Amino acid sequence: SAVISQKPSRDICQRGTSLTIQCQVDSQVTMMFWYRQQPGQSLTLIATANQGSEATYESGFVIDKFPISRPNLTFSTLTVSNMSPEDSSIYLCSVEGGGTPSSYNEQFFGPGTRLTVL
Amino acid sequence: GQNIDQPTEMTATEGAIVQINCTYQTSGFNGLFWYQQHAGEAPTFLSYNVLDGLEEKGRFSSFLSRSKGYSYLLLKELQMKDSASYLCAVSTDSWGKLQFGAGTQVVVTP
Repeated sequence: SAVISQKPSRDICQRGTSLTIQCQVDSQVTMMFWYRQQPGQSLTLIATANQGSEATYESGFVIDKFPISRPNLTFSTLTVSNMSPEDSSIYLCSVEGGGTPSSYNEQFFGPGTRLTVL
Repeated sequence: GQNIDQPTEMTATEGAIVQINCTYQTSGFNGLFWYQQHAGEAPTFLSYNVLDGLEEKGRFSSFLSRSKGYSYLLLKELQMKDSASYLCAVSTDSWGKLQFGAGTQVVVTP
């Protein structure tokens, strides 16, 4: 299985500032995904990050607000820009597979970054 | 649009069986996942179905009917630690993009 770490684990930020969240995987993966989980709700996909190309955003999410980098096959960052209290959420990255056929279709999630915007 | 529906909450007693249903209508289908999520933690993978039928893994089983757009997760011999939110998610493309249902909160009582 893939082991995923995220930094920071939590942060409290002021309105109008930006925060960059890092996601590190212990194996090379083609696709990385960024999700948001607002309080009491399920997960919503923000974007798909493929190494060497621009991220693909879901409806309702734009690059100016959530710029993503994917410099190599084990790392990605998500920036939450010009934050407002509505951005308070848990942000999770995920990857597919763990390198073995039996785990190919599994998706693994990082521990999440709990963001509070004041 | 995309719809993935599951009940909001279910309550069952320790040792019992609970079945969580999920119906879906999505623009693509490349498999259905069930995840368990304890409060304050990341989701953990439980099962994956891409073909019709039942997949059994210990106390947990998952069923899929693609023609009906229907799946269920069956939890047997419930334990207190099974109290959690259970998320139904559909993979809508071959790259692993997931659309999630709202989750079913299962409460196990003594």
